[in-house]
Amino acid sequence: EVQLVESGGGLIQPGGSLRLSCAASEFTVSPNYMSWVRQAPGKGLEWVSAIYRDDRTNYADSVKGRFTISRDNSKNTLYLHMNSLRAEDTAVYYCASHVVWGQGILVTVSS
Amino acid sequence: QAVVTQEPSLTVSPGGTVTLTCGSSTGVVTSEHYPYWFQQKPGQGPRTLIFDTSSRHSSTPARFSGSLLGGKAALTLSGAQPEDETEYYCLLFYSRVGVFGGGTKLTVL
Repeated sequence: EVQLVESGGGLIQPGGSLRLSCAASEFTVSPNYMSWVRQAPGKGLEWVSAIYRDDRTNYADSVKGRFTISRDNSKNTLYLHMNSLRAEDTAVYYCASHVVWGQGILVTVSS
Repeated sequence: QAVVTQEPSLTVSPGGTVTLTCGSSTGVVTSEHYPYWFQQKPGQGPRTLIFDTSSRHSSTPARFSGSLLGGKAALTLSGAQPEDETEYYCLLFYSRVGVFGGGTKLTVL
C-alpha cells in the first residue's frame, strides 16, 4: 500500500527549530512532486512548500527564509526544516504528492 | 500573493448536481494554474479528487469531474450522495507556488 508517514512534530518554543520527516513506502519521493501543506486548528488548508522533478523548490511567503524543504533519495524521505518558529506556525502538517497524502503531524509553537 | 476564492457554502439535493468554483484575484484561471480539488471530511486529512484541471484520481468517484468554466476552475458533482457532504478545497499554482482557496462547505439536503 502506498503510504506517506510524517514524524518529528511536537511542542516547540517560539524561535525554536524542528525538522519534520515524511517516509514513503510503495512510493518514491524522487523525482516526484512533493509538498508540505498545513492546517491551523479550525482553519483551512495552507500550501507551505514543494520540491519539483527538477529539484527546484518553492515556498509560501509566510515561511520563506525560515523553512527549507529537501529529500533524501537513499532514505526515500521528504523533510521540512523549520527555523524561527512562531505561534502562527502551529498546525497539522501534511506531506503530499499529487494524489497521496500523509496522515498529518501536529506542530505546536508555544512557550 | 494571489487570492483564490471559493463559495463559502453550497447546498445540493440528494441526487442533484452542483458546481463548485475556484477563482483567482489575478484574472482568468487557465490550465497553467494546474487546478486541484480536494475533499476533507471532519477529523480526517485531505483527499485528492482532481488534479491538473480534470484528471481524476483512481479512487475518485466518477460523479466528480473537473473543468474550466467562465474563467474559473470548476468541480461538478453529478448525483450527490449523503457522504459527499463535507468541505472542498481548490489549489492553484502561480509560477510553481501554490495557493489554496478558503474552502466550500457542501451540504447535501
